[in-house]
Amino acid sequence: DIQMTQSPSSLSASVGDRVTITCRASQGISNDLAWYQQKPGKLPNLLIYAATTLQSGVPSRFSGSGSGTDFTLTISSLHPEDFATYYCQQSYNMPLTFGGGTKVEVK
Amino acid sequence: EVQLLESGGGLVQPGGSLRLSCAASGFTFSSHDMSWVRQAPGKGLEWVSGISGSGVSTYYADSVKGRFTISRDKSKNTLYLQMNSLRAEDTAVYYCAKDRVVSNSPRDGMDVWGQGTTVTVSS
Repeated sequence: DIQMTQSPSSLSASVGDRVTITCRASQGISNDLAWYQQKPGKLPNLLIYAATTLQSGVPSRFSGSGSGTDFTLTISSLHPEDFATYYCQQSYNMPLTFGGGTKVEVK
Repeated sequence: EVQLLESGGGLVQPGGSLRLSCAASGFTFSSHDMSWVRQAPGKGLEWVSGISGSGVSTYYADSVKGRFTISRDKSKNTLYLQMNSLRAEDTAVYYCAKDRVVSNSPRDGMDVWGQGTTVTVSS
């Protein structure tokens, strides 16, 4: 199985900050990576697929980069509604696997 | 509107069984692979099982292989998860989720999620 490792597991930031979250795959997964946002008590929400493509309706302050084993989710300027937990997920092969999550908290 | 509505969760004793259902609407159900994803209390997301649009191919996480069975009924637009030999560590909210792309395309993410159904395994 492909292991997905996110870092950091949590971070503290302020509104307006640039935030970067990293996801590393245990083997190459091409660009078969998705990012999700989940707020407390809410459903996961697809932000980015194919490593860099923004899902319809997602603000342009979110961006994804990377290929192979190393990927990054960047929020260019943190908004109040962005405080949440973010997960990466590989779709390169089965079983699908998620990273452990990164909680973005208020500083 | 694309919707997924899970049902069937509840309290069950260790070793017991439960069948979850996920009713789909607003899209061509048989055209999309589907998954079950769970989230234990205070924990992250864990993919549990997936099935192709045709229902021919099924996949499982190692943690549930041999105990859970995924299936789908095209005539009812419904996804199922039969869970047997349940353990305390299966306690979680179970979500069904739809693949963003149609079957036989490279999968790239799950764009629609149900509201979840809670399974509690306890004596």
